[in-house]
Amino acid sequence: RKEVEQDPGPFNVPEGATVAFNCTYSNSASQSFFWYRQDCRKEPKLLMSVYSSGNEDGRFTAQLNRASQYISLLIRDSKLSDSATYLCVVNPDQTGANNLFFGTGTRLTVIP
Amino acid sequence: EAQVTQNPRYLITVTGKKLTVTCSQNMNHEYMSWYRQDPGLGLRQIYYSMNVEVTDKGDVPEGYKVSRKEKRNFPLILESPSPNQTSLYFCASSLSPPGERVNTEAFFGQGTRLTVV
Repeated sequence: RKEVEQDPGPFNVPEGATVAFNCTYSNSASQSFFWYRQDCRKEPKLLMSVYSSGNEDGRFTAQLNRASQYISLLIRDSKLSDSATYLCVVNPDQTGANNLFFGTGTRLTVIP
Repeated sequence: EAQVTQNPRYLITVTGKKLTVTCSQNMNHEYMSWYRQDPGLGLRQIYYSMNVEVTDKGDVPEGYKVSRKEKRNFPLILESPSPNQTSLYFCASSLSPPGERVNTEAFFGQGTRLTVV
């Protein structure tokens, strides 16, 4: 079983739509969770960390459900510039782990 | 500007010809790592370094070597490249290892697209 799994999409949504991505992780001891954004042929960049209480950054909302071991990303009022691949990233254990585990990414295309 | 710089950005080489991909960061980060990204597999860690002269294997180390003689540099060496090492490679750095502090951000280089024929 993969450490991190996410729906690869693609998600094609019109401008202004609300879209949500989910991601599941296998290690219940995982402590750190992130969403990274990757544009085509570019490097991943941190979009936001995901906190236990959930957090919001403008049009983006991230939530964590430890009981079900999934994290989500909600994008409201989608813009053309939101078109990218969104990577779910998990650090499996706070102590001693020296790796980040990446999902394969969910591709989003926002259509005019 | 804080950044991670990789070179070259693109490389086509032949099987067996040794190559080095350089990585340099200017943020005084302790932790550096190399990933490869392949379709359907996501990013997988090749090697990582906790600090100068401290390196260790990641999930897919076979066929690769690294060194960390200076804090800012972390080159990736392919002694005898093979076609299955054709991939997109990313170097990344962070202030501390992922397991040391919660929510430590990783900064990535722009990537090196390697083709081995």
